[in-house]
Amino acid sequence: ETGVTQSPTHLIKTRGQQVTLRCSSQSGHNTVSWYQQALGQGPQFIFQYYREEENGRGNFPPRFSGLQFPNYSSELNVNALELDDSALYLCASSLGREINYGYTFGSGTRLTVV
Amino acid sequence: GDSVTQMEGPVTLSEEAFLTINCTYTATGYPSLFWYVQYPGEGLQLLLKATKADDKGSNKGFEATYRKETTSFHLEKGSVQVSDSAVYFCALSDLVSGGGADGLTFGKGTHLIIQP
Repeated sequence: ETGVTQSPTHLIKTRGQQVTLRCSSQSGHNTVSWYQQALGQGPQFIFQYYREEENGRGNFPPRFSGLQFPNYSSELNVNALELDDSALYLCASSLGREINYGYTFGSGTRLTVV
Repeated sequence: GDSVTQMEGPVTLSEEAFLTINCTYTATGYPSLFWYVQYPGEGLQLLLKATKADDKGSNKGFEATYRKETTSFHLEKGSVQVSDSAVYFCALSDLVSGGGADGLTFGKGTHLIIQP
């Protein structure tokens, strides 16, 4: 079975720009969650999508938005980029919304905002 | 709010040494507890989990016991190998406050270095 695939692996953007990150979930997984991992920190929950709808959200401003598609792949969009948005963005898929199903994480997209 | 505190790293040990990485938590409900491992250049992998008090999670020689009385979930391994070198994250999910829809709350991670 294929795992979680994220693209691109690295990205450099300028402050104020917009960015879209992509995630293909593991085969058979219908739930996708996104996390932001700043350097030297643990991942922080951004939001979760279940069957194409946002199912939960962490403490992130509205300029962080997402989509989930019928094939359960997902996008994370960030508008008006700030320097503090520089981080590793992790996508995780799971079989259901219940966290005890277990996540499969991708390797992440490293975003640098200059 | 919920929080997880882990011992600061890096932790440097010799091969075959005994490992303990401390983790304590604060939660409003009845959390499930997890340990994840992150190898260089890779995503996080679930190492073990425990969903209720006194449960012991175990995998690949690693163990952790859910201690409600001390709000702890310390990770242990009897004999570490060079291949165990990685960053280890303790995490919780507070099922009462929202279940999976609130995501996982992670600690800052502990970098483990095993020397031959």
